[in-house]
Amino acid sequence: DIQMTQSPSSLSASVGDRVTITCRASQDTSNSLAWYQQKPGKAPKLLLYAASRLESGVPSRFSGSGSGTDYTLTISSLQPEDFATYYCQQYYSRAYTFGQGTKLEIK
Amino acid sequence: QVQLQESGPGLVKPSETLSLTCSVSGGSMSSYFWSWIRQPPGKGLEWIGLIYDSGSTNYNPSLKSRVTISVDTSKNQFSLKLTSLTAADTAVYYCAGGSVAGEFDYWGQGTLVTVSS
Repeated sequence: DIQMTQSPSSLSASVGDRVTITCRASQDTSNSLAWYQQKPGKAPKLLLYAASRLESGVPSRFSGSGSGTDYTLTISSLQPEDFATYYCQQYYSRAYTFGQGTKLEIK
Repeated sequence: QVQLQESGPGLVKPSETLSLTCSVSGGSMSSYFWSWIRQPPGKGLEWIGLIYDSGSTNYNPSLKSRVTISVDTSKNQFSLKLTSLTAADTAVYYCAGGSVAGEFDYWGQGTLVTVSS
């Protein structure tokens, strides 16, 4: 299995801050990497796929980058509705795996 | 817009088999894959497995011996069977769908399944 490790596990930030979340894979996933946002009691929502492609309807303050084993999700200017838990997911191997999640909290 | 809705029991006894169904509306099941994902209370997401409209399946190696996913395109539904349940299988179970690439574009609202006697 490809193991996905996110850092940090939790993060406190303020509205307007720029934040970056990192996802590291145990082997090359060739940009087959998606990011999701999950709010309490809700299903995850797809934000980005193919490492850097923004899903339709997702605000442009969200961006993704990276390649190989290292990927990042950046929120350029935090908005109140962005406080949530974020997950990465690789779909390079036939056994999909998620990162453990990063909880983004209000400072 | 494609919508997904899970259905099934909320409480199952240990050692029994869980059966869940996901109903797909608003679009065809063709050209997508369909998947089950679960989330234990307060924990992260765990991918269970997927099925293509052709019927081909992939399963999480850690669950493979206990999981069966099937599809009925005539009813626009796909299903999950998970055998030999223990308390560790207590989770919110989501059905999800996506393009052939592998990301999950569509999600059901989730259904909580508790394994308890």
